[in-house]
Amino acid sequence: AQKITQTQPGMFVQEKEAVTLDCTYDTSDPSYGLFWYKQPSSGEMIFLIYQGSYDQQNATEGRYSLNFQKARKSANLVISASQLGDSAMYFCAMREGNGQNFVFGPGTRLSVLP
Amino acid sequence: GAGVSQSPSNKVTEKGKDVELRCDPISGHTALYWYRQRLGQGLEFLIYFQGNSAPDKSGLPSDRFSAERTGESVSTLTIQRTQQEDSAVYLCASSEYYRGAEAFFGQGTRLTVV
Repeated sequence: AQKITQTQPGMFVQEKEAVTLDCTYDTSDPSYGLFWYKQPSSGEMIFLIYQGSYDQQNATEGRYSLNFQKARKSANLVISASQLGDSAMYFCAMREGNGQNFVFGPGTRLSVLP
Repeated sequence: GAGVSQSPSNKVTEKGKDVELRCDPISGHTALYWYRQRLGQGLEFLIYFQGNSAPDKSGLPSDRFSAERTGESVSTLTIQRTQQEDSAVYLCASSEYYRGAEAFFGQGTRLTVV
């Protein structure tokens, strides 16, 4: 069974608008971490934001914020004021507990339109 | 070095030949991961090393694939008798032990089997 689901294979957004990329996860471990990565066409994997399962507040990093709904097991990435450079693949990932493997979702390709 | 280093960056090999890919993780990172990424696709987990524990080999696609890591240092991924379907970018990542530690990725090795 898929542990990380990203239901949007592709998304379009107009420059300067906000966009939400969906991520749902499945775990029975109470201690886990959720991560978002960006992969532009150059291929590098860029870490964006982290949310711990015990964190009370949603994580934010500049224009990135994570809408963490623990009961729904969702960790959606919100990008505010989209820029052309935001066009990339975005991967959601989970790590269940210390010393555990990373599990990645299938990714969402975001295209920002001028 | 400051980041995860992979070599070679590009490799073209003839079908049936063996290839060895190398990954130098960030010093002090106990965890090391190998992924395969076919063109336009997501990350396919191959193998995970955590300290001196037995590696998680559950993602290796066939017995032609193997990987080694000595302690918490360099890792090599070996593909024997390469096939055209092995053509992909092979990504290595490393991280610290705790669940909130992000994975740092190398630039990848682009393998082309002709």
